[in-house]
Amino acid sequence: GDSVTQMEGPVTLSEEAFLTINCTYTATGYPSLFWYVQYPGEGLQLLLKATKADDKGSNKGFEATYRKETTSFHLEKGSVQVSDSAVYFCALRLIQGAQKLVFGQGTRLTINP
Amino acid sequence: GAVVSQHPSRVICKSGTSVKIECRSLDFQATTMFWYRQFPKQSLMLMATSNEGSKATYEQGVEKDKFLINHASLTLSTLTVTSAHPEDSSFYICSAWALAKNIQYFGAGTRLSVL
Repeated sequence: GDSVTQMEGPVTLSEEAFLTINCTYTATGYPSLFWYVQYPGEGLQLLLKATKADDKGSNKGFEATYRKETTSFHLEKGSVQVSDSAVYFCALRLIQGAQKLVFGQGTRLTINP
Repeated sequence: GAVVSQHPSRVICKSGTSVKIECRSLDFQATTMFWYRQFPKQSLMLMATSNEGSKATYEQGVEKDKFLINHASLTLSTLTVTSAHPEDSSFYICSAWALAKNIQYFGAGTRLSVL
């Protein structure tokens, strides 16, 4: 079945460090790919998305590129801030079906000053 | 500000009672809403798809008589956990599909604790 696998957390970094959170997927069709962020006590917020191969999604300094050949959508940021501390979810949406999202297990990120 | 409001944010109830959780889209109409369950340190698991004016579509393994979903208007879906038991304790999250923007907006979640 369709699934998303993220690197296990928690991830702890110092401020201004480089961040990579790995995400790979398995899908029967050609999914759209998403990164959502969940700050403490809040709902999930869409961080960025990509709808086809080689698309790069970007927002708030975060980037992820849709790599069909490696079925990956790794999240990167060049210089993290304390305010980036949150749980990050990679997700896919199958175009053919309803607007259902399939989520990875989430990666908790903590940035220390 | 939040575009999807979920209420209550936290509820504690006794075993055997029923609990209703509301999910409202605040500035858009949502013909489709979703209900998820999140276990500690785990991902969101889709429970059901709620369609305005029709019966919800439940995912495999989710008891429809246990988790009643009503989507009576374009801005409100409710999830009722009937005869709750301690194993139903979890974090429940709703989302609403904004068709015009092709984005799914999420509520802040409801933490249910059944004693």
